[in-house]
Amino acid sequence: AQTVTQSQPEMSVQEAETVTLSCTYDTSESNYYLFWYKQPPSRQMILVIRQEAYKQQNATENRFSVNFQKAAKSFSLKISDSQLGDTAMYFCAFMKQFGANNLFFGTGTRLTVIP
Amino acid sequence: DAGVIQSPRHEVTEMGQEVTLRCKPISGHDYLFWYRQTMMRGLELLIYFNNNVPIDDSGMPEDRFSAKMPNASFSTLKIQPSEPRDSAVYFCASSSFGRPAPPSGGLDGEKLFFGSGTQLSVL
Repeated sequence: AQTVTQSQPEMSVQEAETVTLSCTYDTSESNYYLFWYKQPPSRQMILVIRQEAYKQQNATENRFSVNFQKAAKSFSLKISDSQLGDTAMYFCAFMKQFGANNLFFGTGTRLTVIP
Repeated sequence: DAGVIQSPRHEVTEMGQEVTLRCKPISGHDYLFWYRQTMMRGLELLIYFNNNVPIDDSGMPEDRFSAKMPNASFSTLKIQPSEPRDSAVYFCASSSFGRPAPPSGGLDGEKLFFGSGTQLSVL
C-alpha cells in the first residue's frame, strides 16, 4: 500500500520569503509520479507541480520547485518569493505508474503568507 | 474546455433523503474519479471509472453509496439514505491515462483535473 505523510499541519511565511513544505511517502513501486496540489479557500484543487520518479532532475514551475530524494522517499516543495495568493492548503500526492491510476493524498499543510 | 463541471456546488439535505451529485468530465478524458474530503480523513478515493466502467470501488463506504457513469460525459454519485456523517466535500476528477510508457511520452496523461467540488451538508 502507498502512504503519503505531511508532517507539518500548518506553516507561515512572510511575503517575498521562501518556504519549504515537507512530504514523505512509502511505496514498493520503482516507477511512480508525485504531485503537489494547492487548495485555496475557493476549494478548487489546482495542480502546482509534478515529478516523474524516473527523472533525477527536480521539477520546477516558476516560483515552485521540488527537492525529490528517491532513496529517502522525500518530496518537498519550495515556494520562492511567496505571494499572498499562495495562501492555501497544499497536498502532496502519489500515483503509481502502472495499475491503479488514482492519487493517494497526504493530509495537507495549511500555508499562510503574512503580508 | 470548461474543465470538470460538478453540480450542485452546495447541497443541504435532511437525514434519510436521497442525494445525487453530478459530474461532467473533460471531453476526451477516459478516467473519472470520485473523491471525498473531510477534516478527519482528508481526501479519500471513493471510486474510479475507466471508459465508463467502474474499476475500483473499494473506497465506497457502504451500500448507501452508488456511482454510475452511463456515458463518457456524465457520472453520478448517489447517497441513499443520507446520514449526517456523509457531510463532506465531494470532488470529481478526470484524466487521460491512455498514454505510452515513459520516457517516450505521456507527460500529461497522469494529471488529474478536479472539479470545484460539491459541499454536502446532511442535517
